Amino acid sequence: DGGITQSPKYLFRKEGQNVTLSCEQNLNHDAMYWYRQDPGQGLRLIYYSQIVNDFQKGDIAEGYSVSREKKESFPLTVTSAQKNPTAFYLCASSIAQRGMNTGELFFGEGSRLTVL
Amino acid sequence: AQSVSQHNHHVILSEAASLELGCNYSYGGTVNLFWYVQYPGQHLQLLLKYFSGDPLVKGIKGFEAEFIKSKFSFNLRKPSVQWSDTAEYFCAVIFDTGRRALTFGSGTRLQVQP
Repeated sequence: DGGITQSPKYLFRKEGQNVTLSCEQNLNHDAMYWYRQDPGQGLRLIYYSQIVNDFQKGDIAEGYSVSREKKESFPLTVTSAQKNPTAFYLCASSIAQRGMNTGELFFGEGSRLTVL
Repeated sequence: AQSVSQHNHHVILSEAASLELGCNYSYGGTVNLFWYVQYPGQHLQLLLKYFSGDPLVKGIKGFEAEFIKSKFSFNLRKPSVQWSDTAEYFCAVIFDTGRRALTFGSGTRLQVQP
């Protein structure tokens, strides 16, 4: 089945620890994204990548890091510098036609991170 | 900075009522507009999108949206809602600023009572 796989689904972390959330897609999409979803705030863009070995900061990149070494994979690391990391994290991908985002995002099931 | 606003945070309707959810954005340039829906326990999925042409766009499940450029709005409508429309609805925009990613609004939770 084609789609986006995020893991783990639930994750608990102690304060001061870094944690990495996995996102893998087999849709052959060029573009990948990380959003954070908090109640009443919608989805806020953390990082995105239009092509392998390149990525850009979104609106709330502080305390997060990403890599894009393979087209299929876009892991997100939540570092200890992120002040309020407890949230629901969504990974998405899309086709980029002639460098333009078609806007149709395909989302994973999400990862819920809780910091204890 | 560019932003997307959804002023209705929680809407409760009875079945067969008409629906209109507001979406406004703050930007004077070219935009691409989207509505996404998240049904309980499911992934976010695209309802409809507007890139250019006819400002009235039709999407899945009987939804439509109208782009009014002078009002910077892209409101979502449905003439008669069903219980199965209970979901959270998100407006999203791509601004032609060079950032090739969607900016989402805060979402509207729609509850349809049978």
